Amino acid sequence: KAGVTQTPRYLIKTRGQQVTLSCSPISGHRSVSWYQQTPGQGLQFLFEYFSETQRNKGNFPGRFSGRQFSNSRSEMNVSTLELGDSALYLCASSLWGTDTQYFGPGTRLTVL
Amino acid sequence: TQLLEQSPQFLSIQEGENLTVYCNSSSVFSSLQWYRQEPGEGPVLLVTVVTGGEVKKLKRLTFQFGDARKDSSLHITAAQPGDTGLYLCAGAHGGSTLGRLYFGRGTQLTVWP
Repeated sequence: KAGVTQTPRYLIKTRGQQVTLSCSPISGHRSVSWYQQTPGQGLQFLFEYFSETQRNKGNFPGRFSGRQFSNSRSEMNVSTLELGDSALYLCASSLWGTDTQYFGPGTRLTVL
Repeated sequence: TQLLEQSPQFLSIQEGENLTVYCNSSSVFSSLQWYRQEPGEGPVLLVTVVTGGEVKKLKRLTFQFGDARKDSSLHITAAQPGDTGLYLCAGAHGGSTLGRLYFGRGTQLTVWP
């Protein structure tokens, strides 16, 4: 079974731009969670989607948003990029009702 | 403040040595996961523990979940250079926070040949 895939793997943007990241979960997994990883803060939870509905949201500004499609694929969007948004963005999928999450390789976002 | 405190933050040892990484919290978790992460890659799941007092073994790695489900440990026997990486523990509360994991800051392990 194929793992979680994320595209693109690397992105370079400038301040003020917006960016969209994509995540395809493991086949059969309907829950998708997003995390931001930085050296200073570690892994921080952004939000989680199940059946196209956001069920949980972390403590991030409204510039961070996401959505999930009917095939469980998910996207996250960051608008008005700031230097501090430079990070590894990780997507994870899980089976409904379980805690165990399987992570993708991440998208490395650099904001200049 | 981190919900999960991991220690030590850094560990540098010689091949063949044993080591233990600790993950502690004042909060009770429905389950706890351990991951290993290589630079520039996503965390790879090592194990999930769900029952208080549970012990799981994965080759030279032994994982234990505390009786009260507030803490966990990872013990590596006869470490090898291939064990080098960032070890992360992550707890889940389930229920209304299903889909959310709370991560420790990680333990960076380096094993020298």
